[in-house]
Amino acid sequence: KNEVEQSPQNLTAQEGEFITINCSYSVGISALHWLQQHPGGGIVSLFMLSSGKKKHGRLIATINIQEKHSSLHITASHPRDSAVYICAVRRSMNRDDKIIFGKGTRLHILP
Amino acid sequence: NAGVMQNPRHLVRRRGQEARLRCSPMKGHSHVYWYRQLPEEGLKFMVYLQKENIIDESGMPKERFSAEFPKEGPSILRIQQVVRGDSAAYFCASSPLVGVGETQYFGPGTRLLVL
Repeated sequence: KNEVEQSPQNLTAQEGEFITINCSYSVGISALHWLQQHPGGGIVSLFMLSSGKKKHGRLIATINIQEKHSSLHITASHPRDSAVYICAVRRSMNRDDKIIFGKGTRLHILP
Repeated sequence: NAGVMQNPRHLVRRRGQEARLRCSPMKGHSHVYWYRQLPEEGLKFMVYLQKENIIDESGMPKERFSAEFPKEGPSILRIQQVVRGDSAAYFCASSPLVGVGETQYFGPGTRLLVL
């Protein structure tokens, strides 16, 4: 079983829909990242969370440390939001600052 | 302030050749991470370096792969005698210091194709 699981793997939605992408992890963490990767492009860091909730524009990220779960929400989705969204966690080890990545959720927003 | 720079963006090599991937971290960042993304797979950690030091290379294959981050100049990921299975996107990230929750800034990646 992967230490970081994302769901769904693929998601297609109509423009304007509210989108939720989920991430569950099984290890202790010091922080969780949500990343966005456009086809053929680089990776953009959207959020870094260690507790609670963060909002940036139409994007909202939440984390529940007790349940080891995080969600990324997109309100009023737009075709330009089409990308792969990756959840990544940093484990709670001082010297070992590895990040473990989920396999990503491929989002396609139809106009 | 320029972001993390990687070059080349695309690299084609024949089997048995060497591949050199370069990463210039953001200004003021002294920590560099290399990740590999194989086709249709997620990102995997390879190596974590500080200036002139390899801190953690547990994700890097034991043979043919090496990394350095010299006092001056970019970090280099070197793959000797490349094989087709090395074809992947290689991403570099940098951070200013290591601490709880310190964010990493990713470069655009180098896409390596081994013929």
